[in-house]
Amino acid sequence: RKEVEQDPGPFNVPEGATVAFNCTYSNSASQSFFWYRQDCRKEPKLLMSVYSSGNEDGRFTAQLNRASQYISLLIRDSKLSDSATYLCVVKSGGYQKVTFGTGTKLQVIP
Amino acid sequence: DARVTQTPRHKVTEMGQEVTMRCQPILGHNTVFWYRQTMMQGLELLAYFRNRAPLDDSGMPKDRFSAEMPDATLATLKIQPSEPRDSAVYFCASGFDQGVKNIQYFGAGTRLSVL
Repeated sequence: RKEVEQDPGPFNVPEGATVAFNCTYSNSASQSFFWYRQDCRKEPKLLMSVYSSGNEDGRFTAQLNRASQYISLLIRDSKLSDSATYLCVVKSGGYQKVTFGTGTKLQVIP
Repeated sequence: DARVTQTPRHKVTEMGQEVTMRCQPILGHNTVFWYRQTMMQGLELLAYFRNRAPLDDSGMPKDRFSAEMPDATLATLKIQPSEPRDSAVYFCASGFDQGVKNIQYFGAGTRLSVL
């Protein structure tokens, strides 16, 4: 089983739709979690950290479920500019080993 | 706006040649990561430095790859000899280790093609 797993998609959604991605992780001792966004042929960029209590940033909401070992990202009112690959990141281990998921591709269509 | 700088941005070389990729981390950051990204494997961690000391290079093929930080402003990743299967985008990222909050900032990457 991979340490971090994501549905590769693509998720094709119309503008204005709400879309959600999940990411599962295998190490129950994982300590911190992030969502990164990567545009085509660009570098990954931090979208948001994921806190135990859940957190929201505008149209984006991230949640952590430690019992089931997954994190989620919800995007409301999708924009064309949201089209990208969303990477789940999990940190664990004594030196904070970082593991990236392979990403979920989102395509928002007019 | 501070950035991680990687050079070269693109590299085309022939099998068997040495390839050196360079990374200038953001000033003040104490962690540096090297990743390789391919369509099939996604982002793979190759090496990780904290305060210039290598902490983990378990993801790196030791026979041909080497990573160093000769000083705080420069990290290098070398492949010798290069092979076609090394063709990928290589990203460097830096961050400031605040325990669990080590956010990484990525460079634009080096796109390597080995013919």
